Amino acid sequence: DAGVTQSPTHLIKTRGQHVTLRCSPISGHKSVSWYQQVLGQGPQFIFQYYEKEERGRGNFPDRFSARQFPNYSSELNVNALLLGDSALYLCASSWSTGGDDGNTIYFGEGSWLTVV
Amino acid sequence: GNSVTQMEGPVTLSEEAFLTINCTYTATGYPSLFWYVQYPGEGLQLLLKATKADDKGSNKGFEATYRKETTSFHLEKGSVQVSDSAVYFCARMNSGGYQKVTFGTGTKLQVIP
Repeated sequence: DAGVTQSPTHLIKTRGQHVTLRCSPISGHKSVSWYQQVLGQGPQFIFQYYEKEERGRGNFPDRFSARQFPNYSSELNVNALLLGDSALYLCASSWSTGGDDGNTIYFGEGSWLTVV
Repeated sequence: GNSVTQMEGPVTLSEEAFLTINCTYTATGYPSLFWYVQYPGEGLQLLLKATKADDKGSNKGFEATYRKETTSFHLEKGSVQVSDSAVYFCARMNSGGYQKVTFGTGTKLQVIP
């Protein structure tokens, strides 16, 4: 079975531009979360979506937005890119929304974004 | 707030040495605890998990025990291999509510032949 898939794997953008990152969850998973991992640090939570609704949001500016589609895939959008947005963006999926016992979160390989 | 603290790296060990990476967590709620591993240039892979006090997670020779009394979840392996060289992240997730995994800063492990 396919794991969490993300695209593109690498991209370079210019300051001020907009970027869209895409994620397909594991088949059967209805929850998708997004994380930002700056080089040398642990991932930071951005959003969680479940059944197309935002369930949680981390401490990120409004330039960051996301949505989830009926097939449970998701997009992360970042507007007005800053140099500090350069990071690995990780998508994760799980079968339900809460932090229930046994509800494991699986991560994709990530999208490497470089802002120049 | 919720946080995870893990020992700073890098940790350099010879092959077949014993590994311990310390991790402590804030005791808010009843979190599930995880260790993830990240190989160079790759995403995160779940290594092991424990969902309640005294549970022991294990995988590929790695073990960690959920210690509520010391709020710890230390990662151990009896004999490391060169292929274990990676960055290891300790993480927690609260039960209930929405899913938010809080990660430590990561510990880089280098195993030399």
